[in-house]
Amino acid sequence: DQQVKQNSPSLSVQEGRISILNCDYTNSMFDYFLWYKKYPAEGPTFLISISSIKDKNEDGRFTVFLNKSAKHLSLHIVPSQPGDSAVYFCAASALSGGSQGNLIFGKGTKLSVKP
Amino acid sequence: EAGVTQFPSHSVIEKGQTVTLRCDPISGHDNLYWYRRVMGKEIKFLLHFVKESKQDESGMPNNRFLAERTGGTYSTLKVQPAELEDSGVYFCASSQVSGLPRTEAFFGQGTRLTVV
Repeated sequence: DQQVKQNSPSLSVQEGRISILNCDYTNSMFDYFLWYKKYPAEGPTFLISISSIKDKNEDGRFTVFLNKSAKHLSLHIVPSQPGDSAVYFCAASALSGGSQGNLIFGKGTKLSVKP
Repeated sequence: EAGVTQFPSHSVIEKGQTVTLRCDPISGHDNLYWYRRVMGKEIKFLLHFVKESKQDESGMPNNRFLAERTGGTYSTLKVQPAELEDSGVYFCASSQVSGLPRTEAFFGQGTRLTVV
């Protein structure tokens, strides 16, 4: 049973427009959420994170929004650039239960930004 | 500063053979994680070391998988004997501290294992 879900396997956006990637989770014990970007033949690269005590975190063109009541988070990229084309993974972790922050990943969303 | 390094980048072995994957974490990172991504599926947690100790190995698929972390530095993941379903990309990640404050994990480039 997937605890972190990315229901859109792919997304295509025009350069300069906003990209919105969505992620849903089921485990209410998750308290830390991350977005990773992955290019082919490379490992995931950390992009941005958010703690469950916040509802928004911004870093340059990237903003993550967290809606705890809906167990939903989203990553906004604005403006989108062709170099943003990659697979984006949503991940979550919980400190409780001795997990010490092991990450639970979604299946990823492939973003294509067209010039 | 060197990132997380994994070796080999790609391994093709026959069913029944043994393969050992190696991970060198970022220097000074106590936490070391192994993850695996099977084709088209999510990246799944395998196990977590804190220094040389196994903190959590709940994600290890079965006893054909053995992970070690000698002296709390590099780690190896051995698959013996390998089966077809073990094919996938094995990622290693490291992070600096456990608990608070939360820090992100840095990933290596992965080892693509193909069992034929």
